[in-house]
Amino acid sequence: TQLLEQSPQFLSIQEGENLTVYCNSSSVFSSLQWYRQEPGEGPVLLVTVVTGGEVKKLKRLTFQFGDARKDSSLHITAAQPGDTGLYLCAGEMDSSYKLIFGSGTRLLVRP
Amino acid sequence: SAVISQKPSRDICQRGTSLTIQCQVDSQVTMMFWYRQQPGQSLTLIATANQGSEATYESGFVIDKFPISRPNLTFSTLTVSNMSPEDSSIYLCSVTTGESFFGPGTRLTVL
Repeated sequence: TQLLEQSPQFLSIQEGENLTVYCNSSSVFSSLQWYRQEPGEGPVLLVTVVTGGEVKKLKRLTFQFGDARKDSSLHITAAQPGDTGLYLCAGEMDSSYKLIFGSGTRLLVRP
Repeated sequence: SAVISQKPSRDICQRGTSLTIQCQVDSQVTMMFWYRQQPGQSLTLIATANQGSEATYESGFVIDKFPISRPNLTFSTLTVSNMSPEDSSIYLCSVTTGESFFGPGTRLTVL
């Protein structure tokens, strides 16, 4: 059973389009992190959200943590080919530092 | 932040053999973890590498199959024992210093 459901699994869009990736769970997380992974590399942390309802912006990326700390979303505005990669959400339970990863979203931004 | 290196970066092994993966961190860290990423999949936590004591394994992973050493606060090894093709994965070392950082991974192919 996947504790963190991530959708969509695959996304192919044209440069300049907007997109949203969702991460949902029935469990409450003490924090939720978003990573981007490129082939041959480990995941790179984009953001950590901790407070329910929190919104963080990183240039064209907007991250939101649900009020109940069970879900999160990543919105990319005006996607660029450099945004191509595997996006992973990961929840931390019980402040244990152990991460449960979502299934991932493979994003392809076509020029 | 933390800079993590892993050796080897990749290997091709015969079934029935064992491979030891090394993880080196550029600073002393308390929390160190090993993850597995099967082909086209997300990351799954194998175990927490505890300095000075036995590793703590997640459900579905056992010490006989994945023995772990953690001799100090900057170094750990993960051994994949008696390998089968199902062990073909990327194995990633991670440390947490408030935020989580990942090594580049070791891509293992078992024939």
